[in-house]
Amino acid sequence: DAKTTQPPSMDCAEGRAANLPCNHSTISGNEYVYWYRQIHSQGPQYIIHGLKNNETNEMASLIITEDRKSSTLILPHATLRDTAVYYCIVRVPNNAGNMLTFGGGTRLMVKP
Amino acid sequence: DVKVTQSSRYLVKRTGEKVFLECVQDMDHENMFWYRQDPGLGLRLIYFSYDVKMKEKGDIPEGYSVSREKKERFSLILESASTNQTSMYLCASRADSYEQYFGPGTRLTVT
Repeated sequence: DAKTTQPPSMDCAEGRAANLPCNHSTISGNEYVYWYRQIHSQGPQYIIHGLKNNETNEMASLIITEDRKSSTLILPHATLRDTAVYYCIVRVPNNAGNMLTFGGGTRLMVKP
Repeated sequence: DVKVTQSSRYLVKRTGEKVFLECVQDMDHENMFWYRQDPGLGLRLIYFSYDVKMKEKGDIPEGYSVSREKKERFSLILESASTNQTSMYLCASRADSYEQYFGPGTRLTVT
């Protein structure tokens, strides 16, 4: 799996958009970008994934640059419950044996 | 919603005990995984299974075994628990592609 780089921590005011960047400059053509988050003492939670087009679901939006070397996860209106560690991962999806490798992630602190 | 459940949230066992961690998923997923998560080391794969009775070693299988007798259930077994197996254990499942769903985790302490 391609390596990813994320800032270790970020703050965001409640109600504002949280923009979490991720660099994945060695991503290969068949690798997808996935985002997960982990709230303290809970299992990781899937957020969103994409290949090259921007994606949006009920939780977040994913913006992938045209060269696919970086992406941004956007939480449009951050709430206190969004405080968590956010992990960006790149991997090939159709591989049953492919482990999910989490790096350090970004610790997002949403403040009132 | 996909649901992955684990038998215990917190477990305390003694060195040398045999420990069973159970994981159940209700979405008929083919693939199931056991990870451990430790500070500074991220998520490490112990074992995974892509079908009933099938299992494959992950990165750190030593000291562990697994069992998958039914599609919905994947068990992690610590044959003789040791203090270095104190960790958060996470079970996950997914269909053949795309997102992986995690259980809430079991925090195991071996004393």
